[in-house]
Amino acid sequence: EVQLQESGPGLVKPSQSLSLTCSVTGYSITSSYRWNWIRKFPGNKLEWMGYINSAGSTNYNPSLKSRISITRDTSKNQFFLQVNSVTTEDTATYYCARSLITTRFAYWGQGTLVTVSS
Amino acid sequence: DTVLTQSPALAVSPGERVTISCRASESVSTLMHWYQQKPGQQPKLLIYLASNLESGVPARFSGSGSGTDFTLTIDPVEADDTATYYCQQSWNDPWTFGGGTKLELK
Repeated sequence: EVQLQESGPGLVKPSQSLSLTCSVTGYSITSSYRWNWIRKFPGNKLEWMGYINSAGSTNYNPSLKSRISITRDTSKNQFFLQVNSVTTEDTATYYCARSLITTRFAYWGQGTLVTVSS
Repeated sequence: DTVLTQSPALAVSPGERVTISCRASESVSTLMHWYQQKPGQQPKLLIYLASNLESGVPARFSGSGSGTDFTLTIDPVEADDTATYYCQQSWNDPWTFGGGTKLELK
């Protein structure tokens, strides 16, 4: 069964970059599907951030497009999120998730809390 | 962006039937999905493409709707259904989520 697991620093300073890793087991990220990042803010709002597909193409939420990058390491079956110039408003729980072409998110990681604070 | 509007909270008694609504600011065809999230857990897919039950999800859960108005129904409600329920559309890019409906049991 496919499993996803997020990892990365839990605390980031304002104006710095946030970098997270999603490690995938049980399925190759180059075989199919889209591999997404989603975040949940303290007020419970969920925001889709973007994805990288099995061919390596990306699609980002326009609200974040200038600040984020999603990349991958196929040898390690991992994909990554980088958010630049973070502010306190980027404080959230970050999830990685797998989606079909219909973009329903059937598999999720456990989530990792990232706090932006000096 | 497509805005999805949900009622913030509902309270029902075990054994009752509950409907959770989601209204979209523009048509999303039937590309609407529903998730359940309990505290400290990741969201869990319940219903996809408006009315299809995800594998392993109890048949007490059902979904309906198309266009701009959608409903998630739980019948009968059980104590374990205490959670926040989110709708999510994938017709219009960027994909968006509703604000969530917190279901409490009396």
